[in-house]
Order: sequence, then structure tokens, then C-alpha cells
Amino acid sequence: AQSVTQPDIHITVSEGASLELRCNYSYGATPYLFWYVQSPGQGLQLLLKYFSGDTLVQGIKGFEAEFKRSQSSFNLRKPSVHWSDAAEYFCAVEAYNTDKLIFGTGTRLQVFP
Amino acid sequence: DTEVTQTPKHLVMGMTNKKSLKCEQHMGHRAMYWYKQKAKKPPELMFVYSYEKLSINESVPSRFSPECPNSSLLNLHLHALQPEDSALYLCASSPDHAYNEQFFGPGTRLTVL
Repeated sequence: AQSVTQPDIHITVSEGASLELRCNYSYGATPYLFWYVQSPGQGLQLLLKYFSGDTLVQGIKGFEAEFKRSQSSFNLRKPSVHWSDAAEYFCAVEAYNTDKLIFGTGTRLQVFP
Repeated sequence: DTEVTQTPKHLVMGMTNKKSLKCEQHMGHRAMYWYKQKAKKPPELMFVYSYEKLSINESVPSRFSPECPNSSLLNLHLHALQPEDSALYLCASSPDHAYNEQFFGPGTRLTVL
């Protein structure tokens, strides 16, 4: 069965520091991968997605992610974090030809000034 | 219009009440979803409608009853809920089932007394 693991429950960084959030997936074929962000009490907003092609994908708000098949990973990065980036981040995978998104457990990002 | 709207934003109900949650999108999307999200957890899929037909029911108790009157509207009817049903209920839509990112609404915060 497909699964998504986000090893870091909570990450704290200083404003202006670089950020990397980890995501590992378990899936036999080529996965369709997503990163979503959720501010407290709000819905989820799509940051970026990977379906095929270039393994480095650019998203909104200055985020990027790199798909590494050999490591079954899809880590999210940002070179310089802003205080407004504090939120919950979810990695998700959609299995082939289904309507389901499988979410990781999420990583809560805290940003100190 | 590129958003999913949900009403009401907050709802408090007793265990004997009947209420409904409403979700609307005008992006021409043909798949719509209901999720339940407990605090500090990822969203859990409840129902999927594809082309106005129920395509997935994740073994949700019958006290939750979905309805898709047309391609833009999705309702979730609530009856005889339990306190453990208190959660954030998220609606999402996507252009079509499979391979497409889901666009989430802001959610309805439901409290069952």
C-alpha cells in the first residue's frame, strides 16, 4: 500500500535561514507528489506538484522540491524563510488513476524572528 | 473564480440536531471531495464525487450523508452526530479525477455538544 512519511513533526528555524522539509513515499510506480501548506484553522494550499519530467519543481512562495526516485524522496526547500511561512506542511501522494490523496502526518514549521 | 467556498465557517450543534455543510466551486471542476481533519492530524478522506456520482465512500458512518445536486455544489448532511465528530471539515475539488491537484476550501469548524 502507498504511504507517505514525514519524519520531522516539528521544525524551528530563524527568519532568513534556509529550510528543508523531508518527505519519503512508498509506492511501486511513478508517484504523483504534492506539497500542501495549511495555516492554523485554514484549508490547504498547494505549493507545488510533481507528475513527470524535470525532477526539480518550482512552486509558489519561493518553494521548490526535488524528486529523487533512488531515495523515494520529495523534499521541500526554501533558501530563506519568512515569518509568514510558519504553518503546517503536508506531503501527499496520489496513486495511479485514483481519486485519493495519501497525506503524510505533517511537519509544523515555527519561525523565530 | 478560482476558489472553493464553504459555509458556514463555524457550526455548533447538539447530538439530536440536523444540519448541513455546503461547498461550492465555479471552476468547472468535475471531482469534489469531503475530508475530515482532527487537530494536529492530516485530512482524512470521507467521500469523493466524480461527475456528480458518488465514487468513493471511505466507510463513513451513515450519520454523514453527502449530496451533489449539481457539478458546482456539494453538501454534507449531518444527523445524530457524536462529540468525537467535532473536527474541521474540508471540501476540495479537482478538474477531473486522477493526476490533478485538489483545491481546498477554508473548511467548516464543527463542534458537537
